Amino acid sequence: NAGVTQTPKFRVLKTGQSMTLLCAQDMNHEYMYWYRQDPGMGLRLIHYSVGEGTTAKGEVPDGYNVSRLKKQNFLLGLESAAPSQTSVYFCASSYNAGGETQYFGPGTRLLVL
Amino acid sequence: GQQVMQIPQYQHVQEGEDFTTYCNSSTTLSNIQWYKQRPGGHPVFLIQLVKSGEVKKQKRLTFQFGEAKKNSSLHITATQTTDVGTYFCAGYPNAGKSTFGDGTTLTVKP
Repeated sequence: NAGVTQTPKFRVLKTGQSMTLLCAQDMNHEYMYWYRQDPGMGLRLIHYSVGEGTTAKGEVPDGYNVSRLKKQNFLLGLESAAPSQTSVYFCASSYNAGGETQYFGPGTRLLVL
Repeated sequence: GQQVMQIPQYQHVQEGEDFTTYCNSSTTLSNIQWYKQRPGGHPVFLIQLVKSGEVKKQKRLTFQFGEAKKNSSLHITATQTTDVGTYFCAGYPNAGKSTFGDGTTLTVKP
């Protein structure tokens, strides 16, 4: 099992450009999450999904959109990147939300100039 | 909404010294999890505590869950350089999503 994978690993964008981050998991998990982590800060939840075809907002959803068309994939989109979105983005998945372990991907480092 | 505070934010120790990080929730938790993130890495699950007053050990690591299920601690005995990283707690309320603390970053001087 590959666990949770993320692509790309690193990306540089110019302000106003768009991009999509891909998260894939092969553990048949129902729940998937997108977090951002800024230096010296914890993990802030952007969006999450409780199953295929569903999405919900987290703590910091503005400027991001997500889609969960397939159970194993969770996409995070930035329509018009801003320097404030420079961060490390982590995807995670869990069997359910009731205290199950979250398995994290390796992260995507995004720099917006 | 639920808040999870973690202290200290940073801790620098000499190798062999002990280390403790504390996690406090504004609301009663159903359970709490601890994760470790090595520098440049991703968070990795360490342990989950469910019962009031629960104590669990993993080699030199001791995890405690408070009687009121609103606080928790992670204690490392005789730190080693392999312990460096950021330790996060994640609090799970009775209903709703988990909230991560901001983490405690541990550095160990050999």
